[in-house]
Amino acid sequence: AQKVTQAQTEISVVEKEDVTLDCVYETRDTTYYLFWYKQPPSGELVFLIRRNSFDEQNEISGRYSWNFQKSTSSFNFTITASQVVDSAVYFCALSGYTGNQFYFGTGTSLTVIP
Amino acid sequence: GAGVSQSPSNKVTEKGKDVELRCDPISGHTALYWYRQSLGQGLEFLIYFQGNSAPDKSGLPSDRFSAERTGGSVSTLTIQRTQQEDSAVYLCASSLNSETNTEAFFGQGTRLTVV
Repeated sequence: AQKVTQAQTEISVVEKEDVTLDCVYETRDTTYYLFWYKQPPSGELVFLIRRNSFDEQNEISGRYSWNFQKSTSSFNFTITASQVVDSAVYFCALSGYTGNQFYFGTGTSLTVIP
Repeated sequence: GAGVSQSPSNKVTEKGKDVELRCDPISGHTALYWYRQSLGQGLEFLIYFQGNSAPDKSGLPSDRFSAERTGGSVSTLTIQRTQQEDSAVYLCASSLNSETNTEAFFGQGTRLTVV
């Protein structure tokens, strides 16, 4: 079975604080892909990152960084020096070997307070 | 356009009526997905198309829901005899090639309200 768990339903931080969004996944596939999407108040899901199961290197893109750890089946997302524009719902997703659907977590709503 | 386009943006319909939601994927993308997002909820998978293969309909909630994809491009999601519980945002996404698990790009969604 494929499953993604985002245990944090809502998080509030003050601007410039760092924040980490947790994502834990379950899969029996040895090849799989992990994704993060951002859904701002406008509603459209925006793709942030794709990572395959064979690449455990952490990735940094500006203020965003991702920590992929197969040993704990986690793919956490950190925003450094948060800004008000980061306020959104963030979804973690998993795609298995067959790629026939994306399994989404329930999302984490992030509010950055100015 | 460059992105996934969905129409209409908003649809209000009376209970019992049929509705059609349209999705125009990114040109060249072979995979197309429909998801449903109820208020404050996560994304619920509905159906998936990959090229000319038979679609994966495993997520359709009832036989009132159907979808087709013509010519490997535009897709239409049809809901017959709408019910109030069908009210949600219906999201369409496309990806270059699902067999290589490329990322999916989403449209802005159609907000369906059944009154």
